[in-house]
Amino acid sequence: AQSVTQLDSQVPVFEEAPVELRCNYSSSVSVYLFWYVQYPNQGLQLLLKYLSGSTLVKGINGFEAEFNKSQTSFHLRKPSVHISDTAEYFCAVSDRGYGQNFVFGPGTRLSVLP
Amino acid sequence: DAGVTQSPTHLIKTRGQHVTLRCSPISGHKSVSWYQQVLGQGPQFIFQYYEKEERGRGNFPDRFSARQFPNYSSELNVNALLLGDSALYLCASSLYSAVSTDTQYFGPGTRLTVL
Repeated sequence: AQSVTQLDSQVPVFEEAPVELRCNYSSSVSVYLFWYVQYPNQGLQLLLKYLSGSTLVKGINGFEAEFNKSQTSFHLRKPSVHISDTAEYFCAVSDRGYGQNFVFGPGTRLSVLP
Repeated sequence: DAGVTQSPTHLIKTRGQHVTLRCSPISGHKSVSWYQQVLGQGPQFIFQYYEKEERGRGNFPDRFSARQFPNYSSELNVNALLLGDSALYLCASSLYSAVSTDTQYFGPGTRLTVL
């Protein structure tokens, strides 16, 4: 079984400042890793995913994440945030078996302040 | 192309009642998954269906059931509602189901309130 920890429930940051949202996971098997964003009153949208290969993954809207196997982490970063980035961000893992049984973290609320 | 659609948007029920939630996947997508998102938490996997067959089930009681129709739309049914069933129910569709590398596209959800 897998589990996901997102250490920060809320992250306030000023506009144009950099941000890092932390994600750590636990699994006894190899996993795929994902970051999703949820804007108010909307469903989840995929930001990026790590499947294999380069540990630095680039996604949409200027976000990137780095997979660190030794630290079992998959932190999300953006060098300069905008007001429109205000949303809930979820880290998720899935084992590499058959099916799409995703395990999501509890989420981090990113608030970008003017 | 339309995205994943869900109906109804909001729903209020009382304890002990039954509810049916509906989901229409993106055209051409054959896999539908259901998630429950309790306020302040991440989504929890309930079911996955592919080609009208159940392909995965999360840790939910038998009060929860689902099915997928020949047009790939899906229904989630919950019997004997409890207060704890109050949540946002999300549907996600993907082209295939075999592996989780296939991107899931989420609908806006159905907000269920149980009184």
